[in-house]
Amino acid sequence: GEDVEQSLFLSVREGDSSVINCTYTDSSSTYLYWYKQEPGAGLQLLTYIFSNMDMKQDQRLTVLLNKKDKHLSLRIADTQTGDSAIYFCAAVFSGTYKYIFGTGTRLKVLA
Amino acid sequence: DAGVIQSPRHEVTEMGQEVTLRCKPISGHNSLFWYRQTMMRGLELLIYFNNNVPIDDSGMPEDRFSAKMPNASFSTLKIQPSEPRDSAVYFCASSAGTPGEAQYFGPGTRLTVL
Repeated sequence: GEDVEQSLFLSVREGDSSVINCTYTDSSSTYLYWYKQEPGAGLQLLTYIFSNMDMKQDQRLTVLLNKKDKHLSLRIADTQTGDSAIYFCAAVFSGTYKYIFGTGTRLKVLA
Repeated sequence: DAGVIQSPRHEVTEMGQEVTLRCKPISGHNSLFWYRQTMMRGLELLIYFNNNVPIDDSGMPEDRFSAKMPNASFSTLKIQPSEPRDSAVYFCASSAGTPGEAQYFGPGTRLTVL
């Protein structure tokens, strides 16, 4: 069935780049999203990529999509303490409305 | 726009009581989703509405759960009777409606059932 997987934890130093990885099982996915969740808050849409793209850049965020390996990554440049949060990858499969969320990656930024 | 609005933000109730969670989607969005988030199960989709009509309620855990969307600007999720295992954060999200469109989440309601 459809599945999205992420590693659970990532720790980086302030100013370094963070790379959060996600893999998905269904090659018919059409949209792939990244959300950020801070403590006690809802999920905030960060960025997205369509399946016909390989890369998308938005200020400090870069999304890379490797369709062959069904691998998605989110790179945060110059990571700040305010970036500490849980990051969710979500895939939407062709012809559906349903998001399949990963388990989330908890990013901890060390000062 | 104010974004998706949910109320209450926190709810503490006793087992057996009825709980009603409320959601106001973003104006102009015609799809609405209710999710539940727990440490053990992560994010679970409970029900999806499109143009106020429930399309998929396969994620509703039991008959104790029900959801309504009487108009385009309001939805409720009701649990009756509530049980301790219903304790979770409940999120409402809305989107512009075509499959795959971005979903925008509300701040959530943290429900504790004692």
